[in-house]
Amino acid sequence: DGGITQSPKYLFRKEGQNVTLSCEQNLNHDAMYWYRQDPGQGLRLIYYSQIVNDFQKGDIAEGYSVSREKKESFPLTVTSAQKNPTAFYLCASSISPPGGSEAFFGQGTRLTVV
Amino acid sequence: KQEVTQIPAALSVPEGENLVLNCSFTDSAIYNLQWFRQDPGKGLTSLLLIQSSQREQTSGRLNASLDKSSGRSTLYIAASQPGDSATYLCAVKNSGGYQKVTFGTGTKLQVIP
Repeated sequence: DGGITQSPKYLFRKEGQNVTLSCEQNLNHDAMYWYRQDPGQGLRLIYYSQIVNDFQKGDIAEGYSVSREKKESFPLTVTSAQKNPTAFYLCASSISPPGGSEAFFGQGTRLTVV
Repeated sequence: KQEVTQIPAALSVPEGENLVLNCSFTDSAIYNLQWFRQDPGKGLTSLLLIQSSQREQTSGRLNASLDKSSGRSTLYIAASQPGDSATYLCAVKNSGGYQKVTFGTGTKLQVIP
């Protein structure tokens, strides 16, 4: 089955730790995205990548880092610099422009600071 | 900067009622607009995608319209069912340069049996 897989589903982080969230897709999509979702707020874009080895900061990139070494994978690292990391994180992918393609989402990772 | 607004934030209707969810956006230079459904604690499920050149899309009991010039989209749900209860999000993909997808804050729908 084609789709996007995020892991783990639940993640707990201690203060001062870096943690990495995994996002893998087998849809052959060029573009991948990371969003953060907080209660009562819309999804906010953290980072996006239109092609391998290239990525751009979104609206709330501070305290996060990404890499795009393979087309299928777009891991997100939440660093200790992110002061309020507890949130629901969603990864998405789509076909790159030109063309207005559909975005597909993973099932999310819920990160909690303990 | 693109801003997307969804009104109302929450809606409660009796089963069987037809309903309309609204989405407005500030920058009309878009590639497409997509409607999603999100169940609690889950990811997003795509419902309908409307390209910028299209006026509407239909899937089953769902119909989405797009008026790009006025920056508005509506999602029409016919004959609502309790299983339709979820949060509905709209998202616009901007055209030009690096394309970003901007989401609205969602409408939480409850269909009462």
